[in-house]
Amino acid sequence: AQSVAQPEDQVNVAEGNPLTVKCTYSVSGNPYLFWYVQYPNRGLQFLLKYITGDNLVKGSYGFEAEFNKSQTSFHLKKPSALVSDSALYFCAVRDIGDDKIIFGKGTRLHILP
Amino acid sequence: DAGVIQSPRHEVTEMGQEVTLRCKPISGHDYLFWYRQTMMRGLELLIYFNNNVPIDDSGMPEDRFSAKMPNASFSTLKIQPSEPRDSAVYFCASRTGGTGNTIYFGEGSWLTVV
Repeated sequence: AQSVAQPEDQVNVAEGNPLTVKCTYSVSGNPYLFWYVQYPNRGLQFLLKYITGDNLVKGSYGFEAEFNKSQTSFHLKKPSALVSDSALYFCAVRDIGDDKIIFGKGTRLHILP
Repeated sequence: DAGVIQSPRHEVTEMGQEVTLRCKPISGHDYLFWYRQTMMRGLELLIYFNNNVPIDDSGMPEDRFSAKMPNASFSTLKIQPSEPRDSAVYFCASRTGGTGNTIYFGEGSWLTVV
């Protein structure tokens, strides 16, 4: 069965600095990987996904993520953080051949002015 | 596109009452998922449907929970009787079939059982 781990409950970054939100996964086959963002009192919004091909995936709002098969990781990154990036971020994984998408616990990102 | 539509957005009910949450998936999407979000357990998959047929309900917490999808544009999640520990945000999400397709979430139904 697939699983996903977000080792940090909270990440604090100063505005303008680069940010990284970590994610590792476990699947039996090849993974589909996703990042979502949740703002207060809202649903989850899709940011980006890795299906196949280039390991560096670019998504919405200047975010990108790098798929690393050997480390089974899919960390979310942004070169320069904005205060408006403060939100709850979820990593998710789907195993090829499985319909279900499993989400991590979420990481709360605080961007400090 | 209107996106996934959920109702009610907020519900406060007394313990023992029946609660019905509703979802309209994005038109053309043939997969529908119900998730529950709590502080303690994060985002849990309760049940999902493919072409209106329940495929996996292993995440449904107990017999008090039931879900139906009578047609391609409507699904319900029912809790009867409700308990305070059912207080959570319930999300509906949908996607098309195919490789790696993205699921899209509704805004959620915020349930409080007192």
